[in-house]
Order: sequence, then structure tokens, then C-alpha cells
Amino acid sequence: EPEVTQTPSHQVTQMGQEVILRCVPISNHLYFYWYRQILGQKVEFLVSFYNNEISEKSEIFDDQFSVERPDGSNFTLKIRSTKLEDSAMYFCASSVPLLAGDTDTQYFGPGTRLTVL
Amino acid sequence: AQKITQTQPGMFVQEKEAVTLDCTYDTSDPSYGLFWYKQPSSGEMIFLIYQGSYDQQNATEGRYSLNFQKARKSANLVISASQLGDSAMYFCAMREGLRERGFQKLVFGTGTRLLVSP
Repeated sequence: EPEVTQTPSHQVTQMGQEVILRCVPISNHLYFYWYRQILGQKVEFLVSFYNNEISEKSEIFDDQFSVERPDGSNFTLKIRSTKLEDSAMYFCASSVPLLAGDTDTQYFGPGTRLTVL
Repeated sequence: AQKITQTQPGMFVQEKEAVTLDCTYDTSDPSYGLFWYKQPSSGEMIFLIYQGSYDQQNATEGRYSLNFQKARKSANLVISASQLGDSAMYFCAMREGLRERGFQKLVFGTGTRLLVSP
């Protein structure tokens, strides 16, 4: 069964460093998302991406964040200068196959746990 | 204002019994979708079940069913015949708006931790 994959599973970085979190969405999906979950809290939307551009972003997604689809398969989240409060689990998700009648379910990857020291 | 409310921080159930996890939602959009996800201790988010606002029937997926009461704005998850492997965090989420508009974010509740005992 197709699935969303994410690498790395765990990233440790120093405050102020740049990190890139990588995702490979399900191959025929059209919409891509990043969410984050601070330990013990609920999942929060960061950004959605369609047709090679951001379609919506949350207040959390400020200028230090960026997303990119550098090729036909990868979808990346870059955090330019990490802060302690960026420590969280980051989930990539994708949705909407090309077939009609789908429920638009977002399928999540296993997550990348980011620890900022 | 909270869009998704899960009032049960924790629930206990014995193996083989049924359990209901509560979820209420708030939206003025006539078109929306409701989702339940399971998050085991390993951290991944596993999609369980979906209910569309226009669906006439309650959704079912194996041991999971969704008790959808539109007038009450509730979408409770029912797990029948609980198994030890059902112990996890369960999140209710909502997508507002028409899917044809695409790229609708999910709004999540705070989750309910379910513990299944032998």
C-alpha cells in the first residue's frame, strides 16, 4: 500500500542552525501539507502546497520557514534558523488522488522528531 | 474558539469491550469532513475513518464506526471488541469547505488517550 515517507526520523540541531526535513508524498497525490506537534500537545497546521506554490499557511509559518518541491517526488520543509521552541514532531501529509470520488483524506508520514539544543 | 473538542483526556476499557471516544465540532460551513486518527506511542498518525457532512449513513471501517449526529455536531468514534493494540492517542479532526476547492487544512482536537487492559 502506498505511504508517505519522511527522513530523517530524528534530527538534533543547535539553536540557530538550518534544518531541512524531507518527505516523499504518495505518488499520485496533488496536495501536500506540513503539520507539527509539540510534545504532549495537539497537531497544528503549518502550510499547504499545491501546484508548486503555497496555498495556505498558518501564523506559525513565519519567514524562517520555507517549503519546496525540488523534484517530482520530494517535498521539503526548511527551518532557516532554528529556535528552542521549534522542537517538535513534524508531520508531512498528502491528499487527493487523481481519481474522482475520493474523500480527500490526508495521509500522514511517520514524522520527524526535531530537537533543538 | 475551539473548532474540535475532545473532552476525555483519558479513557480505560477492558479487552473485548466496546468504547466510545467523544468529539464535538463547531463550523458554520455546510460542507465539511470529519476524520479520526490514531497515534500509537511510536508517534505516527494513522488514518482510521472519515465522515462527510452530507453522508447519510454513519461511516464504518472494520471495528471502527463513527456515530455522527449532525444536529448535535458530534462525531464520536466507537471501537468495538477492543484489543491491546488499540492503546494509543486518538485525535478527531475536521476539514472545512468543499474538497473541490482543494488544500483544506485539518484542525485537530487535543486527543484522547485510550488504555486497553487485559
